[in-house]
Amino acid sequence: AQSVTQPDIHITVSEGASLELRCNYSYGATPYLFWYVQSPGQGLQLLLKYFSGDTLVQGIKGFEAEFKRSQSSFNLRKPSVHWSDAAEYFCAANYGGATNKLIFGTGTLLAVQP
Amino acid sequence: ETGVTQTPRHLVMGMTNKKSLKCEQHLGHNAMYWYKQSAKKPLELMFVYNFKEQTENNSVPSRFSPECPNSSHLFLHLHTLQPEDSALYLCASSQGLAGGSYEQYFGPGTRLTVT
Repeated sequence: AQSVTQPDIHITVSEGASLELRCNYSYGATPYLFWYVQSPGQGLQLLLKYFSGDTLVQGIKGFEAEFKRSQSSFNLRKPSVHWSDAAEYFCAANYGGATNKLIFGTGTLLAVQP
Repeated sequence: ETGVTQTPRHLVMGMTNKKSLKCEQHLGHNAMYWYKQSAKKPLELMFVYNFKEQTENNSVPSRFSPECPNSSHLFLHLHTLQPEDSALYLCASSQGLAGGSYEQYFGPGTRLTVT
């Protein structure tokens, strides 16, 4: 079955430190891949997306993600985390089809220490 | 208003009540979605509409009844809910459906508590 896995439920980093959030999608046809962020009490905001082409994609708020077909991964990175980045991050995949269905991971909750 | 808006933001209802959630998108999109977000579970797609026509019902119980009068508005009518229906209900929209490349834009959600 098509699925998205985010192995880390909760991550804590210090402000200014680098960040990497992991995401793996189920093996098979390469889906369209997305990262969303959700602040407390808010909806989901799209950070970046990968459709094809360059495997390193840039997003908003200084985030980037790298698609690695060999590892079925689409990890999110940021070189220097700010306190305002504390939120929950969701990786999602769309395998195409008629309904534009997004399959979400369970999310990674990021805490930022001063 | 810009983007996707949802009202109310918070709702508390008893199991015998009838209420409705409203979603409006100001993006000129043609497709709209309802998702359910429960604690410690992945977001669950509930319904999909494209040009006002329902294209997916993801085995949602009949106590949830969607309505899409036009491409800009989406409702979720609720009746005789159960406590396990307490969750954050998110609305989203996209320009289209087919192919999978259409980004979905989300509203802030309605936090529903069933007592």
